[in-house]
Amino acid sequence: GNSVTQMEGPVTLSEEAFLTINCTYTATGYPSLFWYVQYPGEGLQLLLKATKADDKGSNKGFEATYRKETTSFHLEKGSVQVSDSAVYFCAAMAQKLVFGQGTRLTINP
Amino acid sequence: DVKVTQSSRYLVKRTGEKVFLECVQDMDHENMFWYRQDPGLGLRLIYFSYDVKMKEKGDIPEGYSVSREKKERFSLILESASTNQTSMYLCASGPLGTSGVFGPGTRLTVL
Repeated sequence: GNSVTQMEGPVTLSEEAFLTINCTYTATGYPSLFWYVQYPGEGLQLLLKATKADDKGSNKGFEATYRKETTSFHLEKGSVQVSDSAVYFCAAMAQKLVFGQGTRLTINP
Repeated sequence: DVKVTQSSRYLVKRTGEKVFLECVQDMDHENMFWYRQDPGLGLRLIYFSYDVKMKEKGDIPEGYSVSREKKERFSLILESASTNQTSMYLCASGPLGTSGVFGPGTRLTVL
């Protein structure tokens, strides 16, 4: 079956640092790929997505590129803010959505 | 904006009780999903439904059932709650073939 593996957390960074959260997937065919964010006390929100190889999803300064050759969809942001502190989930969708285990990110001022 | 609402944000129940978690969406979506979220395990799919009265088992259906009598409402039922069902439950809905919009979640504690 499909599976998603993402970088274990927690991750703690200082404000304005560069962020990478790794995500790799295994799937038959070419799934759509997603990053979701969960702020404290809230449900999940779609952050960005990519539906085919070499697509780049972007939103709120975050980016991720669908890399078919490495089966990866790493999340990046050039300069993080305290307000980016949240749990981030990578997900892949073929027939159904499969999530990674989540990465808790804390940004210190 | 698409809205997915869940009946309770926090719920405390006792072992053996029957528990109903309700989810309502207002955008006429075909697909609706129930997940549970546990630390270190991410989100795991319990059940999903792609039409009224239709349901499909997800990855961890044991101990749960669902009901979808109307398109906008998808209920998750714990017939006899157990302590290992203490978790955050998330509902999502979306058009066919999409990942869906999530509700705010219900944190269930079973004592």
